Amino acid sequence: AQSVAQPEDQVNVAEGNPLTVKCTYSVSGNPYLFWYVQYPNRGLQFLLKYITGDNLVKGSYGFEAEFNKSQTSFHLKKPSALVSDSALYFCAVRDRGSTLGRLYFGRGTQLTVWP
Amino acid sequence: DAGVIQSPRHEVTEMGQEVTLRCKPISGHNSLFWYRQTMMRGLELLIYFNNNVPIDDSGMPEDRFSAKMPNASFSTLKIQPSEPRDSAVYFCASSPRTDYQETQYFGPGTRLLVL
Repeated sequence: AQSVAQPEDQVNVAEGNPLTVKCTYSVSGNPYLFWYVQYPNRGLQFLLKYITGDNLVKGSYGFEAEFNKSQTSFHLKKPSALVSDSALYFCAVRDRGSTLGRLYFGRGTQLTVWP
Repeated sequence: DAGVIQSPRHEVTEMGQEVTLRCKPISGHNSLFWYRQTMMRGLELLIYFNNNVPIDDSGMPEDRFSAKMPNASFSTLKIQPSEPRDSAVYFCASSPRTDYQETQYFGPGTRLLVL
């Protein structure tokens, strides 16, 4: 079975401080991993993905994520948070060995950056 | 490109009525996905199509829900009869290819309220 866990429903951080949004996954094979962001009353927007290669992936708006196979994690990070980063963040996984191409999403983590 | 287009953006209806949600994917994209988002259940995949063919409809809640993709540029999600528990935001997403690396591009969503 494939699944994604985002252990924190909410993350609060002060502007200028580093932020981390956690994600762990479970797949039977090797994963493709994604982060999406959702702003209020909008659809999800792609941030970054891990397919293969370097475990540190850089994405949009200064975000990055590190794939850790031994810990089955793909935490999202940013060195210096902005108030405008406040949004709902979703981690998602695909099993690259699966014959079905569906994404499995986590429940989402609400990030609030305080000025 | 205009992105994924969904209509209507908001729908309010009474229990028992038929509801039809519409989606126009990004031109050239081969895969189309329908999702439902609620506070209780998060983001759920309802069904997805590859090259206009339904591939995985295991997420469709029950027979009241049906989806079609008559051509590469149009899809519908129909609920008949609608019930209050169907109230949610319904998202359509498309992706360029049928391999599993590709990013999904989400529409703005249809906010459905069934009274």
